Amino acid sequence: GDSVTQMQGQVTLSEDDFLFINCTYSTTWYPTLFWYVQYPGEGPQLLLKVTTANNKGISRGFEATYDKRTTSFHLQKASVQESDSAVYYCVLGDTNSAGNKLTFGIGTRVLVRP
Amino acid sequence: DAGVTQTPRHEVAEKGQTIILKCEPVSGHNDLFWYRQTKIQGLELLSYFRSKSLMEDGGAFKDRFKAEMLNSSFSTLKIQPTEPKDSAVYLCASSRHNTEVFFGKGTRLTVV
Repeated sequence: GDSVTQMQGQVTLSEDDFLFINCTYSTTWYPTLFWYVQYPGEGPQLLLKVTTANNKGISRGFEATYDKRTTSFHLQKASVQESDSAVYYCVLGDTNSAGNKLTFGIGTRVLVRP
Repeated sequence: DAGVTQTPRHEVAEKGQTIILKCEPVSGHNDLFWYRQTKIQGLELLSYFRSKSLMEDGGAFKDRFKAEMLNSSFSTLKIQPTEPKDSAVYLCASSRHNTEVFFGKGTRLTVV
């Protein structure tokens, strides 16, 4: 079945540090790939989305490139701020089903210290 | 526009009780999802409805978990009977066909 593997645990950074979260996926289809972000007390919300292989998604300074060759979709940001502290999920969307089913990675907690 | 609304936000149940969690999707959305969120397993899909029809019922959760869509603007998730291992955050989400999925804030369930 479909699966997503991303680094677990917590990443602790200082403001203006570079953020990198790795993510790889496995599926027999041509998926849409997402990153969702979850702040304390909230549900996950869409950060960025890429539907086509070799394309890059960019949002709020975050970017991720859909690499079909390596089946990866790593998230990065050049300079993080304290407000970026949250849990980040790499997500695979099944666009070949009749619906809109999402498969989530385990999530990576990012803590940015001022 | 109102987002996805879940009630209650917190629920404490004794082992063996029946609990019902409620969800109002975004108006006009025709896909509705229930997820369970735990630190160990992350987000797991419990149920998925499209236009009120059950598309997926989450396999391993069939026994004691039952989700229903009584109409296009209201869904419930019943857990009967509850067990301590059911303690988790239950998230409801909705979307239009193949567009962004919006999540509610979740219901935190504690079973003692």
